[in-house]
Amino acid sequence: AQKITQTQPGMFVQEKEAVTLDCTYDTSDPSYGLFWYKQPSSGEMIFLIYQGSYDQQNATEGRYSLNFQKARKSANLVISASQLGDSAMYFCAMRGLVGSNYKLTFGKGTLLTVNP
Amino acid sequence: DSGVTQTPKHLITATGQRVTLRCSPRSGDLSVYWYQQSLDQGLQFLIQYYNGEERAKGNILERFSAQQFPDLHSELNLSSLELGDSALYFCASSVEGEGAFSRNTIYFGEGSWLTVV
Repeated sequence: AQKITQTQPGMFVQEKEAVTLDCTYDTSDPSYGLFWYKQPSSGEMIFLIYQGSYDQQNATEGRYSLNFQKARKSANLVISASQLGDSAMYFCAMRGLVGSNYKLTFGKGTLLTVNP
Repeated sequence: DSGVTQTPKHLITATGQRVTLRCSPRSGDLSVYWYQQSLDQGLQFLIQYYNGEERAKGNILERFSAQQFPDLHSELNLSSLELGDSALYFCASSVEGEGAFSRNTIYFGEGSWLTVV
């Protein structure tokens, strides 16, 4: 079974500052992928970044980077230079990549508020 | 725009009724997933189809059913609706390659907001 834990129900950050959203996971899958999604108040689920368990380097996508620490089973999202439009709910998710366990398992999310 | 299209975007219906939610996956994606998001349950996986066949089942009620058609679009049918079925229903799709180095990103549609009154 897979489990995602996001321990921060809410986070606040000042505009232009960096923020880290925490995510820890547990899985018995030998190979897996970790994802972060953003859900603004309008409701859509927007893919942000992906990290494969065998990737040697941490993933980056523009202002988003994923701090992947496999031994600690953590996959924290770092948003640099926060913008007001970053205010949203952020979900960490994972899925197996080998075998039949392909569905995404989500954490409960972190509500990020960016203050001007 | 993720490339996943869901209709309708909003739906209000009465208890006991039946509704159908429709999803067109991204071009080339063979796998379709349905998720339900409610305030008390969070994001719940309902069901997955791959190239027309059911692949995995999650917390899907017996009142709910889904299918994926030969053109790969999918429909989620919700019947005998109850107030508690009010939620945001997401469809998502992925290419679904095999192996440890497959990225297999799952892209979501904008969701269908269902309100049961």
